[in-house]
Amino acid sequence: KNQVEQSPQSLIILEGKNCTLQCNYTVSPFSNLRWYKQDTGRGPVSLTIMTFSENTKSNGRYTATLDADTKQSSLHITASQLSDSASYICVVSARHAGNMLTFGGGTRLMVKP
Amino acid sequence: SQTIHQWPATLVQPVGSPLSLECTVEGTSNPNLYWYRQAAGRGLQLLFYSVGIGQISSEVPQNLSASRPQDRQFILSSKKLLLSDSGFYLCAWKGDSLSYEQYFGPGTRLTVT
Repeated sequence: KNQVEQSPQSLIILEGKNCTLQCNYTVSPFSNLRWYKQDTGRGPVSLTIMTFSENTKSNGRYTATLDADTKQSSLHITASQLSDSASYICVVSARHAGNMLTFGGGTRLMVKP
Repeated sequence: SQTIHQWPATLVQPVGSPLSLECTVEGTSNPNLYWYRQAAGRGLQLLFYSVGIGQISSEVPQNLSASRPQDRQFILSSKKLLLSDSGFYLCAWKGDSLSYEQYFGPGTRLTVT
């Protein structure tokens, strides 16, 4: 069964600090992995997408890594800002008809001043 | 540019009442369309997807149904709501088969009382 597990479930950090969110998956055959940011009560917004051949991708202060061998990904947030407070969702797509997505439960990040 | 709309934004309905949520996409043609549900503190669950007008696939057995009467319109319905139908409903679209990205709408918060 395809699964995506994220850790931690929630995280509180001080403004300006860095943090790293983890994602482990068992989706097969692997197509791509995405990280989304979801503000409370809003739809998810894509941060990064990585395919099998990519092991790192950056989007501003967000850097995602992918280890396809161990089936792990991380999202590193540098110099956090209050606006980074949101849920971060790891999503993995399998390479078959429809490229259906398997969603992780998300990590709820709170950045405090 | 492409945009995706959902309405209503919030809805409170009694148990046993009907439901109709609408999603429309602008700026693209023949998109793949998706309905997801996100229960409180949980990951997104795919409910339905559509690759064309009148073509609906269901991922999980449930109390809901979907229809696609027009190319860029996707409707989620129920004849009789259950308490367990409460949640945050998200519509998403994807472009051609070469595109990985799914773009989410703003969501509808449904509370069944």
